[in-house]
Amino acid sequence: EVQLVESGGGLVQPGGSLRLSCVASGFPFSTYWMHWVRQAPGKGLVWVSGISSDGSYTTYADSVKGRLTISRDNAKNTLFLQMTSLRVEDTAVYYCTRFNSRDGYNRWGQGALVTVSS
Amino acid sequence: EIVLTQSPGTLSLSPGERATLSCRASQSVSSSSLGWYQQKPGRAPRLLIYAASSRATGIPDRFSGSGSGTDFTLTVSRLEPEDFAVYYCQHYGSSPYTFGQGTKLEIK
Repeated sequence: EVQLVESGGGLVQPGGSLRLSCVASGFPFSTYWMHWVRQAPGKGLVWVSGISSDGSYTTYADSVKGRLTISRDNAKNTLFLQMTSLRVEDTAVYYCTRFNSRDGYNRWGQGALVTVSS
Repeated sequence: EIVLTQSPGTLSLSPGERATLSCRASQSVSSSSLGWYQQKPGRAPRLLIYAASSRATGIPDRFSGSGSGTDFTLTVSRLEPEDFAVYYCQHYGSSPYTFGQGTKLEIK
């Protein structure tokens, strides 16, 4: 069974840092692109970042460029999102997703809540 | 950046009725890169339709997608109680992978 399990969310002050992790199982992780998608409370889905299967290529939404960094460890089947210089507007549930150019986001994690507040 | 605009914002229907949801793109989108997702409260989204008209694994055939270019449609032929949720379209052909703002399908 395909599973994506996020962890690392929590409460952080503006300007602070946090690292999200997503452990994948049930599929060959190293062969898939992976993305992060976020959802602010009561709002819609927003694409955040994506990384190629081997980690050599990354892409970011303009709103997070330079502050959030996506990476992966294929030996540990784990996706990361390093978040720095966090802002109140980064408050959201962050979803780890498995991406395929044929069918988009065909698997989602349960989400990790990040709250940026003083 | 491709902007996706969904309409209506809210759709109020009864079980058994037909639902038609629209997704309009600011520029032409490849049909092979247009998807629809369903999200229920407190849950992660679920892929319903990919490549504009292909149903994802396990999705009932009352869900169908159509369209091309800048206009795409998700249709639910006969609404079941479990279909009342929020629906999002998304293009995934190239970065940035934008979503529409969502259509809430509510029970009338």
